[in-house]
Amino acid sequence: EDQVTQSPEALRLQEGESSSLNCSYTVSGLRGLFWYRQDPGKGPEFLFTLYSAGEEKEKERLKATLTKKESFLHITAPKPEDSATYLCAAVGLARKLIWGLGTSLAVNP
Amino acid sequence: GAGVSQTPSNKVTEKGKYVELRCDPISGHTALYWYRQSLGQGPEFLIYFQGTGAADDSGLPNDRFFAVRPEGSVSTLKIQRTERGDSAMYLCASSRELYSGANVLTFGAGSRLTVL
Repeated sequence: EDQVTQSPEALRLQEGESSSLNCSYTVSGLRGLFWYRQDPGKGPEFLFTLYSAGEEKEKERLKATLTKKESFLHITAPKPEDSATYLCAAVGLARKLIWGLGTSLAVNP
Repeated sequence: GAGVSQTPSNKVTEKGKYVELRCDPISGHTALYWYRQSLGQGPEFLIYFQGTGAADDSGLPNDRFFAVRPEGSVSTLKIQRTERGDSAMYLCASSRELYSGANVLTFGAGSRLTVL
């Protein structure tokens, strides 16, 4: 069964303290791995799509990487405005987007 | 429009009542999706439209839930005889391309439904 697991569930960082969020996936024939950001009371906002192991994408303080079993979202020198829930989703041969439960990130000033 | 618009943003209703939630996708986006999200959970797929037709409604939990998109643009999610367990954030998303599973989705801000 296709599955996406995110860890940790919650993470609290000090401003400037770099860290990584993990997304482990079990998906047959990965077609794409997605990262979205979700602010409280709002819909998810697209960040990155990764398609194959070894691929990396960057946007400001965020960098997403992909291996054959997991993806990492690295946050470098985070700021309070990076506080949000980060959702990972994967799609495989079944062409169904499978979502993780998210990591709730809080960055303290 | 510039983004996906959902109305109402908040809806409080009583158990057993009928509810309609509206979604206006990005102009030109042919694919439209409805998701449901409970607190602390990821989005749960409900239904997907390609144009006017429901291409995949396998996520609708039961026959109390129905969605339409009569002109291939605005969509309405309809819930009959609401139950307390229907309380959730209902999210609409659209994408420009034909459905491939690997589409980038643009979400609206959601409609928060509370059933008392």
